[in-house]
Amino acid sequence: KAGVTQTPRYLIKTRGQQVTLSCSPISGHRSVSWYQQTPGQGLQFLFEYFSETQRNKGNFPGRFSGRQFSNSRSEMNVSTLELGDSALYLCASRTGDGDYGYTFGSGTRLTVV
Amino acid sequence: AQSVAQPEDQVNVAEGNPLTVKCTYSVSGNPYLFWYVQYPNRGLQFLLKYITGDNLVKGSYGFEAEFNKSQTSFHLKKPSALVSDSALYFCAVRDTNSGYALNFGKGTSLLVTP
Repeated sequence: KAGVTQTPRYLIKTRGQQVTLSCSPISGHRSVSWYQQTPGQGLQFLFEYFSETQRNKGNFPGRFSGRQFSNSRSEMNVSTLELGDSALYLCASRTGDGDYGYTFGSGTRLTVV
Repeated sequence: AQSVAQPEDQVNVAEGNPLTVKCTYSVSGNPYLFWYVQYPNRGLQFLLKYITGDNLVKGSYGFEAEFNKSQTSFHLKKPSALVSDSALYFCAVRDTNSGYALNFGKGTSLLVTP
């Protein structure tokens, strides 16, 4: 079966712009989580969506937001981009409560210049 | 807070030798522990998890991990390393204060030399 698909794979944006990243989970998975990976901070949890509702949020500023659609696809938006937002953004999906089988996508590499 | 620590930034091992990548955890309650591997410019690939049950967990690609409650450790092991095992390895714990969020260690770079 198809894995978790993240688009685009690479993005270059200018400071101050906004960006939207997309994640399509494995078919049947209702939970989508987002993580930011940087050399300095490592892997950090951004937020999790389940059945179109945000269930948990990590310690990130309000510039980072997301949403989930009825087909479980999720988008993540970052507004007013800063240089420090340059990172690999990873999406993970799982079926739902009680499922600990997190499957990650290949990520979107965002570079802010 | 639930956390894991990976004390080694890099582990070097010769091909064919056993390998160990260390992870210790700090949690309240029962830990939910995971190992992931990351190849360059790729996402994370699941290797194995410990939720409950046997302390020795067998995973993908010949990897296994031993859950040790007294030492609060969850070390990743493989009896015979391959050059293709060279990658970045992450230990993670479920953060029960944040639903199903994972808290990751900083990662250990494994280099297997021919």
